[in-house]
Amino acid sequence: EAGVVQSPRYKIIEKKQPVAFWCNPISGHNTLYWYLQNLGQGPELLIRYENEEAVDDSQLPKDRFSAERLKGVDSTLKIQPAELGDSAVYLCASSLGGGSYEQYFGPGTRLTVT
Amino acid sequence: GQNIDQPTEMTATEGAIVQINCTYQTSGFNGLFWYQQHAGEAPTFLSYNVLDGLEEKGRFSSFLSRSKGYSYLLLKELQMKDSASYLCAVNDSTLGRLYFGRGTQLTVWP
Repeated sequence: EAGVVQSPRYKIIEKKQPVAFWCNPISGHNTLYWYLQNLGQGPELLIRYENEEAVDDSQLPKDRFSAERLKGVDSTLKIQPAELGDSAVYLCASSLGGGSYEQYFGPGTRLTVT
Repeated sequence: GQNIDQPTEMTATEGAIVQINCTYQTSGFNGLFWYQQHAGEAPTFLSYNVLDGLEEKGRFSSFLSRSKGYSYLLLKELQMKDSASYLCAVNDSTLGRLYFGRGTQLTVWP
């Protein structure tokens, strides 16, 4: 069974530029998560989808971050414009459902903003 | 709110046993996860506890005491490949969200 796929794995951009990350969850997983992980910290939830619906986006900085999951499968996370403080690893995870279900993580995208 | 505390670093030698503690405070508790994360890689699931007691899975065991807001991960017969960060994560039932601790970086020496 294929795991969670993310691309790109690494991205270097200048501040004020836009950037987008893509995630393909495990087949059949209705719940999709985007997390941000800073060095030496645990992942922090940005947004959670149940199928196409964003059911928890309270932690997403909506002035510059946006996300979509149009057909309830793949998802894209965008930052526009990027700031120096956005440098981090962006992790995508999926699960069969929310709550007590195990989350499967992708390898992440390491973003460096210069 | 949520407050998850675990040691930042631990070291141990091959073949030894190590216990990584995690304490938490949360508004609504619906289970606790342990994940392993090697440097530059994705977190991978180790264990899930929702009831008090010990869950054993091979060399790894996890314990939960809900009344004390306390869990530990026990790693036996340590191997070099066990060097990684171990993340404690609490499932908050009020918000339906998983909260992660900052992770405990375990280094296993030969």
